Amino acid sequence: QVQLVQSGAEVKKPGASVKVSCKASGYTFTSHYIHWVRQAPGQGLEWMGIINPITGSTDYAQKFQGRVTVTRDTSTNTVYMELSSLRSDDTAVYYCARDVGQDEYFDYWGQGTLVTVSS
Amino acid sequence: DIQMTQSPSTLSASIGDRVTISCRASLSIRDWLAWYQQKPGKAPQLLIYRASNLQGGVPSRFSGSGSETEFTLTISSLQPDDFVTYYCQQYQSYPYTFGQGTKLEIK
Repeated sequence: QVQLVQSGAEVKKPGASVKVSCKASGYTFTSHYIHWVRQAPGQGLEWMGIINPITGSTDYAQKFQGRVTVTRDTSTNTVYMELSSLRSDDTAVYYCARDVGQDEYFDYWGQGTLVTVSS
Repeated sequence: DIQMTQSPSTLSASIGDRVTISCRASLSIRDWLAWYQQKPGKAPQLLIYRASNLQGGVPSRFSGSGSETEFTLTISSLQPDDFVTYYCQQYQSYPYTFGQGTKLEIK
């Protein structure tokens, strides 16, 4: 069955970086784009970016341009999201989500990774 | 960016009620709209895609309609498990955007 398993919770200081992983299984990794979405405590969902697992090409929300980097490792079927220059308002649960194909809706989600930014 | 506006933000209803949640896009997204359900502490789950297509395994009491800029999610007969939060999302263009969410509460 399709699974997206994310890395565990992180606590970071302001100004630091965090790298969250999302390991895919149960399907052909290169057949589905992967998105990253975050959710601040008690807030709604916010799309961050997308990666094409075949080419590694990415697209990011303007809000995160210059601070976010999404990469993939096709040998381990894992996607990574790195967010730098962390601020307290980056405290959120970060989700990876599988695109049903290419540039469509999300049919499977990871369990989420809580990133807490605190001094 | 395409703005997605959901209404209401909170909806009080009773078990067995029929309810409708609205979602408006700031410009036409044709039918590139999905609806998700999110339970507390869990990742969202897909309910509806292409505005009106029910995802496999989702109960038939959920339905979606609309096109262009106006969309609705209808739950025909509320069950106890349905009192959670719902989000619409456009996937017409980047950045993908979500509505602010509708929390369904028991009256």
